[in-house]
Order: sequence, then structure tokens, then C-alpha cells
Amino acid sequence: SQTIHQWPATLVQPVGSPLSLECTVEGTSNPNLYWYRQAAGRGLQLLFYSIGIDQISSEVPQNLSASRPQDRQFILSSKKLLLSDSGFYLCAWSVTQQGTGELFFGEGSRLTVL
Amino acid sequence: DAKTTQPNSMESNEEEPVHLPCNHSTISGTDYIHWYRQLPSQGPEYVIHGLTSNVNNRMASLAIAEDRKSSTLILHRATLRDAAVYYCILRPVWAGSYQLTFGKGTKLSVIP
Repeated sequence: SQTIHQWPATLVQPVGSPLSLECTVEGTSNPNLYWYRQAAGRGLQLLFYSIGIDQISSEVPQNLSASRPQDRQFILSSKKLLLSDSGFYLCAWSVTQQGTGELFFGEGSRLTVL
Repeated sequence: DAKTTQPNSMESNEEEPVHLPCNHSTISGTDYIHWYRQLPSQGPEYVIHGLTSNVNNRMASLAIAEDRKSSTLILHRATLRDAAVYYCILRPVWAGSYQLTFGKGTKLSVIP
């Protein structure tokens, strides 16, 4: 069966510090991968999605970046965090072939920038 | 992207049925209707989806209006574990439509 893992689960970082959140999917090949962010009291905002290695699309201009060094690994990074980067970050995957487009989400990483 | 409109919040008594409405008046003929729910401090989980016909699964039922401009997620017997934010989302089936856009959803509270 397929599984998705994110880490770290919680993170407290000072303004201006770097960020690296990692996501790994097991049990499937060539998945679509996604990073979402949920600010306090708000809906989910799609940040990045990837249909393959080195194929990453950004949905929102910001100081965040994403990379996909391996087929089932997706990394969210920042060189300098802002207060507004605080939130609940969710990694997700879906199958690339025709299907329901169902998204499977990880457990989430809660980031607090102070 | 086609948009959906949901009430911000709803309440239900435990063990009563719950009908969560969603309006999507600009839906196109190739948009699937998806429902997800998000429990507190967790990632969203898939609930159900449909195109034109009503759908049932172990979690819920989805009733789709004949003109497809609205739909209703039905939880047949609400439990405390069903307290969550429920998202109604449209997903186009054409190639390249890989991402789903989530709105604010409906926060369902279940009263014991």
C-alpha cells in the first residue's frame, strides 16, 4: 500500500532563518506531488505541484521554493523565513494516470516563525 | 477554475443525519465534484466524488442535482469523529488538471 510521510512534524524558527521540509511517498511510482499551506483559520493554498523530476510549477509567488531530487521525494525550502510563512504545511500525492485525481495527504508540518 | 460556495459552519446532533450543501453554479460538463474533510490538526482525507449520478460509499453519500449546479454530502449518522471541516471541490478531467483548489469549507460541529 502507498504511504506518505512528512517531517518534521513541528518546527519553530526565527525570522530570517532557512527552512527545509521533506516529504516522501512509498509504494507508488511517478506520482504527482503537491505542497499546500494552511494559515490559521484559512483554507488550503496550493504552493507547488510537480508531475515529474525537475518539473515543478509554482502557484503563488513567494520566498519559498520546491525541489524534487528523486521520483518520490519532494522538498519545500526557504532561504529566509518571514513571519507570514507560519502555517500548517501539507504534502500530498496523486496518481498521474487517468483516475479520480484523489489526493492523499501527509500528516502535515506545523511551522511557527517568531 | 470553477468555484464552489459552502456555508461557513453547521451543527448537528450526534446520531442524526447531516446534509452539507455545496453550490457550484458555474460547473462545466467535465467537472467532477469531490468532497474532502479535514479533522483538527490533520491533513484532509478524501470522502467521495461524483459526476452526474448519486454516489454512495462507506463514509457518506453524494446527492447531485439534476442540473449539477449544486450537490449535497450526506452523513447518515453523525458521530463525534465526523466533526471536521468539509470541502467541496470541482476537478476538471482534462489533461493537466492535476491540482485541486480548496476553499474555506464548512466546519461541522457534532453535539453529543
